[in-house]
Amino acid sequence: DIVMTQTPLSLSATPGQPASISCKSSQSLLDSDGKTHLYWYLQKPGQPPQLLIYEVSNRFSGVPDRFSGSGSGTDFTLKISRVEAEDVAVYYCMQGRHVPWTFGQGTKVEIK
Amino acid sequence: EVQLVESGGGLVQPGGSLRVSCAASGFTFSSSWMSWVRQAPGAGLEWVAIIKPDGSEKYYVDSVKGRFTISRDNAKNSLHLQMNSLRAEDTAVYYCATDRLQHWGQGTLVTVSS
Repeated sequence: DIVMTQTPLSLSATPGQPASISCKSSQSLLDSDGKTHLYWYLQKPGQPPQLLIYEVSNRFSGVPDRFSGSGSGTDFTLKISRVEAEDVAVYYCMQGRHVPWTFGQGTKVEIK
Repeated sequence: EVQLVESGGGLVQPGGSLRVSCAASGFTFSSSWMSWVRQAPGAGLEWVAIIKPDGSEKYYVDSVKGRFTISRDNAKNSLHLQMNSLRAEDTAVYYCATDRLQHWGQGTLVTVSS
């Protein structure tokens, strides 16, 4: 199975300042169709997860442009350009390249 | 608007069975791969199973193989997860989700305990 490793596991962010989360996969997530199947989700307290970013860098419908994804192969990053109070959540990366799909451990983002 | 509504969760004894379901609306269900994802209390997310739009392919995480069966009824826009030989470690909120987990339901809690 592909192992997804996120760092850090917790992050205390200052409102208006940037924040970033790293995600590394144990195998390349590049598919033969040219797509890289790396996804980012956030889960706010008491809510189901929601898709933020698909295929490394594509924002899902309705996601603010302060969220961006980058990376390739096995190394990926989620960046929040200016953290807001509503961004308090646990953020997960997930690989959809090989079954079983696997998630990172999650990064808990809190506000200072 | 995509809506996914899970049902069927509850308390079951170890070794017992339970079937959870997901009612889908607002998208072309019969064209969408569908997954189940679970989250144990206070823990992270674990992908459990996926089914092809026509039901001809199904894949599972190793920990549930041989015990869980994913199925769908495209005529009724519904997704199911039959869970047998349940263990304490299967206790979790079970979410259904659309292809690539774009949309999620609110989840249904399954508790395995004596």
